[in-house]
Amino acid sequence: DVKVTQSSRYLVKRTGEKVFLECVQDMDHENMFWYRQDPGLGLRLIYFSYDVKMKEKGDIPEGYSVSREKKERFSLILESASTNQTSMYLCASSPRQGRYTEAFFGQGTRLTVV
Amino acid sequence: AQSVTQLDSQVPVFEEAPVELRCNYSSSVSVYLFWYVQYPNQGLQLLLKYLSGSTLVKGINGFEAEFNKSQTSFHLRKPSVHISDTAEYFCAATNDYKLSFGAGTTVTVRA
Repeated sequence: DVKVTQSSRYLVKRTGEKVFLECVQDMDHENMFWYRQDPGLGLRLIYFSYDVKMKEKGDIPEGYSVSREKKERFSLILESASTNQTSMYLCASSPRQGRYTEAFFGQGTRLTVV
Repeated sequence: AQSVTQLDSQVPVFEEAPVELRCNYSSSVSVYLFWYVQYPNQGLQLLLKYLSGSTLVKGINGFEAEFNKSQTSFHLRKPSVHISDTAEYFCAATNDYKLSFGAGTTVTVRA
């Protein structure tokens, strides 16, 4: 089975801290994604990566950056956490376009910024 | 990019009754469609998907959905729900590899 693992289920951070959310997948997928989930808004794409060291902005990239140094790992970085970044963060991976089947999701990280 | 609209934000339903969750997507060629379920404090789990072929798609846990190209819809149905179907359901669409999601429908099953 495909496994997408997010390093933390729950995190509490202080305003202004630099926050790292880590995601690892074990299926050699080319594509990886970070979504943010808020009530009534569904999932919104923050960033995605289609290859190592390649990234593209999603719909809401402001206040976030990402890193993909290895194919299996995709990190989301909050440069200076703010209370409006309190949310559920979901990582996903999928095969490349052309052999696309579905996206596989991690369990999510619920981040609270105080 | 696709745009996805889920027409109901909350659907209360009695146990053993049928349920339908409505989803519309923006018109496009070669669209792939998905329904995901999220149980409390968990990630998203795939219920079913439409990639091509038969317009009636069967998924896990007795769910099915019908792809209707003329109406750009992909409604999810289950003929008889259980208490354990209480969850949030997301419709998603893509025509490349970036999924666009609807806002979600919360299904609450009551005895």
